[in-house]
Amino acid sequence: GAVVSQHPSWVICKSGTSVKIECRSLDFQATTMFWYRQFPKQSLMLMATSNEGSKATYEQGVEKDKFLINHASLTLSTLTVTSAHPEDSSFYICSAREAPGANVLTFGAGSRLTVL
Amino acid sequence: LAKTTQPISMDSYEGQEVNITCSHNNIATNDYITWYQQFPSQGPRFIIQGYKTKVTNEVASLFIPADRKSSTLSLPRVSLSDTAVYYCLVGIYNQGGKLIFGQGTELSVKP
Repeated sequence: GAVVSQHPSWVICKSGTSVKIECRSLDFQATTMFWYRQFPKQSLMLMATSNEGSKATYEQGVEKDKFLINHASLTLSTLTVTSAHPEDSSFYICSAREAPGANVLTFGAGSRLTVL
Repeated sequence: LAKTTQPISMDSYEGQEVNITCSHNNIATNDYITWYQQFPSQGPRFIIQGYKTKVTNEVASLFIPADRKSSTLSLPRVSLSDTAVYYCLVGIYNQGGKLIFGQGTELSVKP
């Protein structure tokens, strides 16, 4: 089946630095990917929709200058948390549809970000 | 996007059948119903999807009444490894449709 890979699976950084998280579709092409964040004991919150070759669409309340999304190819989307602060510490998860119009999303394993 | 309501938590014992019901009163004609399972510190995993009536696969069954305003995920003979959070999502996926997660149901299976 379809596989979505995220890297790194966990990262620790100092406050004020930027962190990049990669999301790759390993055996299929994804024109659209979705980025979620999840705090402990909470549900997933959609942050943005990443569109290949165009700007990402951010959900209300998500700072686009804070969370930079780039979808430069059909198999790779990146999320960069800029000038990270402790409150950005969270579990970030990406997902993609196996094919345009597919009714199932495949999720990555997630990336745990801890900002000191 | 249709809002979903699920019980926050459920307890069960090994070997029992577990039924988790999700309410989605505002489901649209083109919406599908999909259930995902999530273990701690992992991404959600697809369990089952349906549009109407009943769907069954190797791990679960999904029951959807005629009015489609609710759905029930049925897990037969649960084991300890089924302890997880289960999410019911409603939406369309075509044309870039996005998925909004509700609160989910935390299922705890005890020995």
